[in-house]
Amino acid sequence: DAKTTQPPSMDCAEGRAANLPCNHSTISGNEYVYWYRQIHSQGPQYIIHGLKNNETNEMASLIITEDRKSSTLILPHATLRDTAVYYCIAAGSRLTFGEGTQLTVNP
Amino acid sequence: DAGVIQSPRHEVTEMGQEVTLRCKPISGHNSLFWYRQTMMRGLELLIYFNNNVPIDDSGMPEDRFSAKMPNASFSTLKIQPSEPRDSAVYFCASSLASAGALAVSETQYFGPGTRLLVL
Repeated sequence: DAKTTQPPSMDCAEGRAANLPCNHSTISGNEYVYWYRQIHSQGPQYIIHGLKNNETNEMASLIITEDRKSSTLILPHATLRDTAVYYCIAAGSRLTFGEGTQLTVNP
Repeated sequence: DAGVIQSPRHEVTEMGQEVTLRCKPISGHNSLFWYRQTMMRGLELLIYFNNNVPIDDSGMPEDRFSAKMPNASFSTLKIQPSEPRDSAVYFCASSLASAGALAVSETQYFGPGTRLLVL
């Protein structure tokens, strides 16, 4: 599975868009990009995934570059409850969780 | 839907004792995963089952760890004998994999975890 690189931490103001970047330059053609998040002391929660095209659901949007070497998770209107560790995963045969990005949403 | 159910939620035991963690996946899901999370190593996949059959157990740390899935609605992760370094949060997750698709490619739903402390 391809390695991903994420900033260790980010801050965002409540109500603003949170844009979380992820680099996965070694991703192979059949690997999906997954995003999960983990709120303190809880199990990870699925957010969104995609292969080539941009995706949107009720939680977030996923923008994947044309060369698939990087992606951005967008939370359009961050709330305090979005404070969590966000994991970007390039998944082939398994989900390999890295260290993720600690997103802190401030009031 | 009750989601993935894990028991116990907390376990404190002494070194050398047997520990059994339990998981009930979401009804209708055909894949089940066991993960372990520690500060040092992060979140690691230990083993996963598809249709009750172990598919990949390469993450199981050593012979002291074993996992079973006797039916579609129940799985256990056993540690015997337990050691202090086994202290961690153990998560169970389940998914519904399409026929022929890799189980990991489907959305995984995680349980609340079991916090294990081995003294």
